[in-house]
Amino acid sequence: ETGVTQSPTHLIKTRGQQVTLRCSSQSGHNTVSWYQQALGQGPQFIFQYYREEENGRGNFPPRFSGLQFPNYSSELNVNALELDDSALYLCASSLASGLPNTGELFFGEGSRLTVL
Amino acid sequence: LAKTTQPISMDSYEGQEVNITCSHNNIATNDYITWYQQFPSQGPRFIIQGYKTKVTNEVASLFIPADRKSSTLSLPRVSLSDTAVYYCLVGLSGGYNKLIFGAGTRLAVHP
Repeated sequence: ETGVTQSPTHLIKTRGQQVTLRCSSQSGHNTVSWYQQALGQGPQFIFQYYREEENGRGNFPPRFSGLQFPNYSSELNVNALELDDSALYLCASSLASGLPNTGELFFGEGSRLTVL
Repeated sequence: LAKTTQPISMDSYEGQEVNITCSHNNIATNDYITWYQQFPSQGPRFIIQGYKTKVTNEVASLFIPADRKSSTLSLPRVSLSDTAVYYCLVGLSGGYNKLIFGAGTRLAVHP
């Protein structure tokens, strides 16, 4: 069973630039969620994708956007980077069945973004 | 989504039982209670989930009173490797997860 993999693991950008982070979901999972985790804080929900459609969004501006591909992998794009965007970006996959189930989220190791 | 409140930090010693309590006063009827563990520079890892009463797995136990307004994660005989941040989450589980993480409880296990 392949786990959730994210790339790149670390990257440095300057203010105003754009970044794309990638996530391969766990085998058999059809839902991907993205979280932002600032240092010393809990992960903050950005958005979730199910069957290539955004299925829920947290309190993040439109410059945070995403995609989910037919193979259920996903991208997180952030435009016009700001210093406060520096954080660990976590991708989590799960299997949506439409019914309450264990609902376990499987997280990747994250992409550490530093904005200078 | 229900907000959760848990202690910011806890200290324990190897071999002791640790109980971390989480308050979720406005939990909804369909909400499940889920606990995650996170080590530095890693993604959170699922520990246990429950709806009511008691749930036990090979790692922990979860106690949920009848009113479901709180829950307690119990870690038996902790070791140094249990030093981590523990998050209590409340929400509708299933594929349509929009689980909201709080600040979590930083557990430090000492020799």
